[in-house]
Amino acid sequence: QVQLQQWGAGLLKPSETLSLTCAVYGGSFSGYYWSWIRQPPGKGLEWIGEINHSGSTNYNPSLKSRVTISVDTSKNQFSLKLSSVTAADTAVYYCARRRTYYYDSSGYVPGYNWFDPWGQGTLVTVSS
Amino acid sequence: EIVLTQSPGTLSLSPGERATLSCRASQSVSSSYLAWYQQKPGQAPRLLIYGASSRATGIPDRFSGSGSGTDFTLTISRLEPEDFAVYYCQQYGSSVTFGQGTRLEIK
Repeated sequence: QVQLQQWGAGLLKPSETLSLTCAVYGGSFSGYYWSWIRQPPGKGLEWIGEINHSGSTNYNPSLKSRVTISVDTSKNQFSLKLSSVTAADTAVYYCARRRTYYYDSSGYVPGYNWFDPWGQGTLVTVSS
Repeated sequence: EIVLTQSPGTLSLSPGERATLSCRASQSVSSSYLAWYQQKPGQAPRLLIYGASSRATGIPDRFSGSGSGTDFTLTISRLEPEDFAVYYCQQYGSSVTFGQGTRLEIK
């Protein structure tokens, strides 16, 4: 069973760079996209971006200029950096696996998209 | 960007009742790209439904999903006490977006 464990600094000052890492245990690292999603306190979910094992990335256009997602396949880990943070970046940050296929009795079934599993979440607070 | 609008914002029901949650997309979404999640306080979201209507592993059969195009529905046939939570729909198109959530509370 795949599990995601994440860590990183929880308190930042405005203009600093947020840095989080997520480790993948118990399953294959290739064949999936590995995502970051955030949730401001009391609000909904916002997708930040993702990376696959080859290093191919996709970013939310609204955050693209400040986001870098990288991968370390030797450790089955991926990381998020968000630069120039402000109070608006205060949120719980989750890592998650985006799955695009599944297997059933017929075999490989492509063309799907969902997030599962998720990491435990890291609260990042930006305050001076 | 495809905007997902969930309704109602809050749904107040009693255990044993039927819950119907709506997710409307600003443009057509492939059914295979529509998922539903449940989130309880202090926890990460939990996958309930993928492909608009397929239950994830371990999800009770009182949860069902339906819909196509721009209108999707999550139905909980008989509410159990543990079902009271916030529910999100999510789509994957040119980008990933989530609905704003429906809070299901005990009446």
